[in-house]
Amino acid sequence: GAGVSQSPRYKVAKRGQDVALRCDPISGHVSLFWYQQALGQGPEFLTYFQNEAQLDKSGLPSDRFFAERPEGSVSTLKIQRTQQEDSAVYLCASSYTGTSDSSYEQYFGPGTRLTVT
Amino acid sequence: GQNIDQPTEMTATEGAIVQINCTYQTSGFNGLFWYQQHAGEAPTFLSYNVLDGLEEKGRFSSFLSRSKGYSYLLLKELQMKDSASYLCAVRDSNYQLIWGAGTKLIIKP
Repeated sequence: GAGVSQSPRYKVAKRGQDVALRCDPISGHVSLFWYQQALGQGPEFLTYFQNEAQLDKSGLPSDRFFAERPEGSVSTLKIQRTQQEDSAVYLCASSYTGTSDSSYEQYFGPGTRLTVT
Repeated sequence: GQNIDQPTEMTATEGAIVQINCTYQTSGFNGLFWYQQHAGEAPTFLSYNVLDGLEEKGRFSSFLSRSKGYSYLLLKELQMKDSASYLCAVRDSNYQLIWGAGTKLIIKP
């Protein structure tokens, strides 16, 4: 496809379950970002990959959150032992260049809405 | 800390002009972005400013004053489809985007 895709679009998990969220970036895009967006708020940065290297994971809220991009394309965000406060929309974005390029823009996927009950 | 402020909600009339303001305090500045986000959808890129002044793109314009830590997005000839949230984001010294909470724009006929 032409855009960023994410799956599943919706996920309901019981508290304590592990979940895995997938992101397929635009082909050839170097940078990949994960964000968490609560209702009525802007996206909050979670982590950033340049190719397969995770260059910044400062936004991950706890060690229950883990992300990988082993071959520099598809990425997975895993949340272990989900808690109710993890309920949010998880957005993935990709960009063609590295973050230091002067005018790169990020292309967003539709997001995964996670509800923890 | 880092902070981006924008109004929570604005209302405007179809065919009119609206200006959405954004003020920021960040650790470093490497550009300011505006994104549009319709309810339940992904943000889509609208504009990018890194130098002071006005950038015009069709019905949308974005202005930046780095000395004042201030930007605005100007939407002209409003259409019903412009009803959405408008997100201001600043790229900080680490080249990461810091996002505002968004301004929900309601267009009335």
